[in-house]
Amino acid sequence: QSVLNQPPSASATPGQRVTISCSGINSNFGDNFVYWYQQLPGTAPKLLIHRNNQRPSGVPDRFSGSKSGTSASLAISGLRSEDEADYYCATWDDSVSGPVIFGGGTKLTVL
Amino acid sequence: QVQLQESGPGLVKPSQTLSLTCSVSGVSLNSGSYYWSWVRQPAGKALEWIGRVYTSGTTNYNPSLKSRVTMSLDSSKKQFYLNLTSVTAADTAVYYCAREVFYFGLDVWGQGTTVSVSS
Repeated sequence: QSVLNQPPSASATPGQRVTISCSGINSNFGDNFVYWYQQLPGTAPKLLIHRNNQRPSGVPDRFSGSKSGTSASLAISGLRSEDEADYYCATWDDSVSGPVIFGGGTKLTVL
Repeated sequence: QVQLQESGPGLVKPSQTLSLTCSVSGVSLNSGSYYWSWVRQPAGKALEWIGRVYTSGTTNYNPSLKSRVTMSLDSSKKQFYLNLTSVTAADTAVYYCAREVFYFGLDVWGQGTTVSVSS
Protein backbone atom coordinates (compact mmCIF):
# COMPACT_ATOMS: atom_id res chain seq x y z
CA GLN A 1 0.00 0.00 0.00
CA SER A 2 1.12 3.55 -0.72
CA VAL A 3 2.45 5.87 1.92
CA LEU A 4 2.15 9.63 1.87
CA ASN A 5 4.76 11.52 3.85
CA GLN A 6 4.11 14.90 5.44
CA PRO A 7 6.20 16.89 7.90
CA PRO A 8 4.61 16.52 11.36
CA SER A 9 4.64 20.24 12.01
CA ALA A 10 4.97 23.66 10.43
CA SER A 11 4.79 27.16 11.79
CA ALA A 12 4.72 30.75 10.59
CA THR A 13 3.61 34.17 11.72
CA PRO A 14 0.44 35.94 10.63
CA GLY A 15 0.65 37.38 7.15
CA GLN A 16 3.42 35.03 6.06
CA ARG A 17 3.25 32.31 3.43
CA VAL A 18 3.71 28.70 4.47
CA THR A 19 3.94 25.54 2.43
CA ILE A 20 3.24 21.96 3.50
CA SER A 21 4.70 19.12 1.48
CA CYS A 22 3.34 15.69 0.68
CA SER A 23 5.42 13.01 -1.00
CA GLY A 24 4.42 9.57 -2.15
CA ILE A 25 6.62 6.52 -2.40
CA ASN A 26 4.28 4.55 -4.62
CA SER A 27 4.81 5.19 -8.31
CA ASN A 28 1.04 5.46 -8.77
CA PHE A 29 1.11 8.70 -6.82
CA GLY A 30 2.59 10.38 -9.86
CA ASP A 31 -0.55 9.62 -11.85
CA ASN A 32 -3.21 10.26 -9.22
CA PHE A 33 -4.87 13.43 -8.06
CA VAL A 34 -3.98 14.84 -4.65
CA TYR A 35 -6.49 16.24 -2.19
CA TRP A 36 -5.96 18.38 0.88
CA TYR A 37 -8.13 18.46 4.00
CA GLN A 38 -8.11 20.97 6.85
CA GLN A 39 -9.08 19.84 10.32
CA LEU A 40 -9.62 22.61 12.83
CA PRO A 41 -9.28 21.58 16.48
CA GLY A 42 -12.16 19.41 17.62
CA THR A 43 -13.93 19.41 14.27
CA ALA A 44 -14.42 17.16 11.28
CA PRO A 45 -12.05 17.46 8.31
CA LYS A 46 -12.97 19.84 5.53
CA LEU A 47 -12.06 19.46 1.86
CA LEU A 48 -9.66 22.26 1.00
CA ILE A 49 -8.19 21.29 -2.38
CA HIS A 50 -9.30 18.67 -4.90
CA ARG A 51 -7.68 17.36 -8.07
CA ASN A 52 -4.26 18.78 -7.13
CA ASN A 53 -5.09 22.50 -7.32
CA GLN A 54 -8.84 23.10 -7.40
CA ARG A 55 -10.60 24.92 -4.60
CA PRO A 56 -14.18 24.00 -3.66
CA SER A 57 -16.62 26.84 -3.49
CA GLY A 58 -16.08 28.91 -0.38
CA VAL A 59 -12.40 28.13 0.12
CA PRO A 60 -10.38 31.36 0.07
CA ASP A 61 -7.83 31.82 -2.69
CA ARG A 62 -5.17 32.15 0.01
CA PHE A 63 -5.08 28.37 -0.20
CA SER A 64 -3.45 26.79 -3.24
CA GLY A 65 -2.28 23.34 -4.20
CA SER A 66 0.28 22.05 -6.62
CA LYS A 67 1.71 18.72 -7.69
CA SER A 68 4.81 17.71 -9.57
CA GLY A 69 5.78 14.10 -10.10
CA THR A 70 5.57 12.25 -6.82
CA SER A 71 5.36 15.36 -4.63
CA ALA A 72 2.59 17.79 -3.85
CA SER A 73 2.31 20.87 -1.72
CA LEU A 74 -0.26 23.08 -0.08
CA ALA A 75 0.51 26.78 0.18
CA ILE A 76 -1.25 29.21 2.46
CA SER A 77 -0.56 32.87 1.90
CA GLY A 78 -1.55 35.79 4.13
CA LEU A 79 -1.60 33.40 7.09
CA ARG A 80 -4.29 34.01 9.72
CA SER A 81 -4.66 32.75 13.25
CA GLU A 82 -7.76 30.79 12.22
CA ASP A 83 -5.61 28.74 9.81
CA GLU A 84 -4.07 26.94 12.79
CA ALA A 85 -5.14 23.37 12.15
CA ASP A 86 -4.05 19.93 11.03
CA TYR A 87 -3.66 19.49 7.28
CA TYR A 88 -3.83 16.14 5.52
CA CYS A 89 -2.98 15.22 1.96
CA ALA A 90 -4.72 12.27 0.37
CA THR A 91 -4.85 10.25 -2.80
CA TRP A 92 -5.90 6.81 -3.94
CA ASP A 93 -3.90 3.67 -3.88
CA ASP A 94 -3.89 2.57 -7.51
CA SER A 95 -7.05 3.90 -9.15
CA VAL A 96 -9.91 6.21 -8.27
CA SER A 97 -11.92 3.20 -7.12
CA GLY A 98 -9.11 2.01 -4.92
CA PRO A 99 -8.47 2.71 -1.25
CA VAL A 100 -8.01 6.30 -0.12
CA ILE A 101 -4.62 6.97 1.41
CA PHE A 102 -4.12 9.81 3.89
CA GLY A 103 -0.83 11.37 4.80
CA GLY A 104 0.21 11.49 8.43
CA GLY A 105 -0.94 15.08 8.78
CA THR A 106 0.87 18.35 9.44
CA LYS A 107 0.04 20.47 12.46
CA LEU A 108 0.26 24.12 11.48
CA THR A 109 0.94 26.57 14.26
CA VAL A 110 0.38 30.27 13.72
CA LEU A 111 2.90 31.99 15.98
CA GLN B 1 -27.88 21.47 2.10
CA VAL B 2 -26.33 18.03 2.41
CA GLN B 3 -25.82 16.81 5.96
CA LEU B 4 -24.50 13.57 7.41
CA GLN B 5 -24.94 12.39 10.99
CA GLU B 6 -23.31 9.38 12.61
CA SER B 7 -25.00 7.39 15.36
CA GLY B 8 -24.28 4.27 17.35
CA PRO B 9 -22.97 2.98 20.67
CA GLY B 10 -20.18 4.98 22.23
CA LEU B 11 -18.81 1.94 24.02
CA VAL B 12 -18.17 -1.53 22.61
CA LYS B 13 -16.65 -4.49 24.41
CA PRO B 14 -13.53 -6.18 23.03
CA SER B 15 -14.21 -8.97 20.54
CA GLN B 16 -17.69 -7.62 19.83
CA THR B 17 -18.99 -5.88 16.71
CA LEU B 18 -18.98 -2.13 16.27
CA SER B 19 -22.06 -0.97 14.35
CA LEU B 20 -22.58 2.59 13.19
CA THR B 21 -25.22 4.32 11.12
CA CYS B 22 -24.85 7.42 8.99
CA SER B 23 -28.08 9.31 8.30
CA VAL B 24 -28.06 11.47 5.20
CA SER B 25 -30.23 14.47 4.40
CA GLY B 26 -30.37 16.80 1.44
CA VAL B 27 -29.33 14.23 -1.18
CA SER B 28 -30.44 10.85 -2.42
CA LEU B 29 -28.28 7.81 -1.74
CA ASN B 30 -29.36 6.61 -5.17
CA SER B 31 -27.36 9.27 -6.95
CA GLY B 32 -24.75 7.62 -9.12
CA SER B 33 -22.32 10.47 -8.58
CA TYR B 34 -21.38 9.60 -5.04
CA TYR B 35 -19.73 7.03 -2.87
CA TRP B 36 -20.54 6.84 0.83
CA SER B 37 -17.47 6.46 3.00
CA TRP B 38 -16.26 5.88 6.52
CA VAL B 39 -13.08 7.37 7.98
CA ARG B 40 -11.74 7.03 11.50
CA GLN B 41 -9.24 8.88 13.64
CA PRO B 42 -7.72 7.61 16.89
CA ALA B 43 -7.10 10.36 19.39
CA GLY B 44 -4.08 12.42 18.40
CA LYS B 45 -3.47 10.38 15.27
CA ALA B 46 -4.01 10.65 11.54
CA LEU B 47 -7.11 9.97 9.51
CA GLU B 48 -7.59 6.41 8.33
CA TRP B 49 -9.95 5.54 5.49
CA ILE B 50 -12.07 2.50 6.31
CA GLY B 51 -14.00 2.00 3.10
CA ARG B 52 -16.83 3.08 0.84
CA VAL B 53 -20.15 1.79 -0.42
CA TYR B 54 -21.69 2.71 -3.73
CA THR B 55 -25.38 3.05 -4.46
CA SER B 56 -25.33 -0.37 -6.13
CA GLY B 57 -24.01 -1.94 -2.94
CA THR B 58 -20.51 -2.34 -4.35
CA THR B 59 -17.90 -1.84 -1.67
CA ASN B 60 -14.20 -1.06 -1.40
CA TYR B 61 -12.37 -1.57 1.88
CA ASN B 62 -9.05 -0.64 3.39
CA PRO B 63 -6.93 -3.79 2.91
CA SER B 64 -5.78 -3.62 6.52
CA LEU B 65 -9.39 -3.84 7.76
CA LYS B 66 -11.01 -5.79 4.95
CA SER B 67 -11.40 -9.04 6.87
CA ARG B 68 -13.43 -7.32 9.61
CA VAL B 69 -15.43 -4.65 7.75
CA THR B 70 -18.84 -4.73 6.15
CA MET B 71 -20.62 -1.69 4.71
CA SER B 72 -24.10 -1.41 3.30
CA LEU B 73 -26.75 1.18 2.59
CA ASP B 74 -30.52 1.55 2.64
CA SER B 75 -31.54 4.27 0.24
CA SER B 76 -35.17 4.18 1.39
CA LYS B 77 -34.06 5.07 4.93
CA LYS B 78 -31.35 7.43 3.63
CA GLN B 79 -28.82 5.62 5.77
CA PHE B 80 -25.59 3.74 5.27
CA TYR B 81 -23.86 1.48 7.73
CA LEU B 82 -20.55 0.28 9.08
CA ASN B 83 -19.95 -3.01 10.85
CA LEU B 84 -16.52 -3.77 12.26
CA THR B 85 -16.13 -7.17 13.89
CA SER B 86 -13.77 -8.50 16.55
CA VAL B 87 -12.88 -5.06 17.84
CA THR B 88 -9.93 -4.34 20.10
CA ALA B 89 -8.68 -1.26 21.89
CA ALA B 90 -6.90 -0.29 18.68
CA ASP B 91 -10.31 0.38 17.12
CA THR B 92 -11.03 3.15 19.62
CA ALA B 93 -11.42 6.30 17.54
CA VAL B 94 -13.67 9.03 16.27
CA TYR B 95 -15.59 7.59 13.34
CA TYR B 96 -16.70 9.90 10.53
CA CYS B 97 -19.05 9.22 7.68
CA ALA B 98 -18.50 11.23 4.52
CA ARG B 99 -19.71 11.68 0.97
CA GLU B 100 -17.11 10.99 -1.68
CA VAL B 101 -17.59 12.52 -5.07
CA PHE B 102 -15.98 10.70 -7.98
CA TYR B 103 -12.66 12.51 -8.56
CA PHE B 104 -13.68 15.42 -6.34
CA GLY B 105 -12.80 14.00 -2.94
CA LEU B 106 -14.62 13.65 0.38
CA ASP B 107 -16.66 16.83 0.21
CA VAL B 108 -19.21 16.49 3.03
CA TRP B 109 -18.46 15.02 6.43
CA GLY B 110 -20.47 14.16 9.49
CA GLN B 111 -19.46 15.63 12.81
CA GLY B 112 -18.01 12.31 13.97
CA THR B 113 -18.89 9.93 16.74
CA THR B 114 -16.50 8.65 19.39
CA VAL B 115 -16.34 4.91 19.88
CA SER B 116 -14.37 3.40 22.72
CA VAL B 117 -13.52 -0.28 22.96
CA SER B 118 -13.28 -1.35 26.56
CA SER B 119 -14.59 -4.00 28.88
